[in-house]
Amino acid sequence: AQKITQTQPGMFVQEKEAVTLDCTYDTSDPSYGLFWYKQPSSGEMIFLIYQGSYDQQNATEGRYSLNFQKARKSANLVISASQLGDSAMYFCAMREGRVSGGYNKLIFGAGTRLAVHP
Amino acid sequence: ETGVTQSPTHLIKTRGQQVTLRCSSQSGHNTVSWYQQALGQGPQFIFQYYREEENGRGNFPPRFSGLQFPNYSSELNVNALELDDSALYLCASSLGGVTDTQYFGPGTRLTVL
Repeated sequence: AQKITQTQPGMFVQEKEAVTLDCTYDTSDPSYGLFWYKQPSSGEMIFLIYQGSYDQQNATEGRYSLNFQKARKSANLVISASQLGDSAMYFCAMREGRVSGGYNKLIFGAGTRLAVHP
Repeated sequence: ETGVTQSPTHLIKTRGQQVTLRCSSQSGHNTVSWYQQALGQGPQFIFQYYREEENGRGNFPPRFSGLQFPNYSSELNVNALELDDSALYLCASSLGGVTDTQYFGPGTRLTVL
């Protein structure tokens, strides 16, 4: 069965520094997608970044980058130059199911709470 | 903002009652997924609707049901509410394609007393 593991319940970082949030996954499907979402205290799940299993390069979106190590089945999120507004829960998720035809579901990890200190 | 809206924002019900939650998908998106997020946990997949048909279901009992309308908006219905149904209910819409990223609404927080 597919599974996402986030081993860091909480992390803190100093403002303007970089931080890495860990995510490991387990799947036997050769085709999969990995996502990171941010959830502030308001509750909305905000999409940050996506990595496909066949993508050759690590995904980047502004201050977010995904350190994808396929052989180790890890997909760590790196946030550079942390800001106070980055304080939130961060969830790693994996897409299960075929992409075409609409069916897919996300399997989420337990999340990591990030606190950015001034 | 994603363009996905949900109503109501908060809801309080008593055990045994029924509830309907609503979701409007992002413009052009034909797929809506519903997730339940209990306090302190990651979201759990309830079911997905694609072009008005249920297209996948998670490990939830039949008292959780849904609909998708021709404009791709969706409803989640929960009958015979139990205390454990208290959670944040998230709706996500997606277009389909290579990444098929799901974009979430702000959620409905349901409290069952």
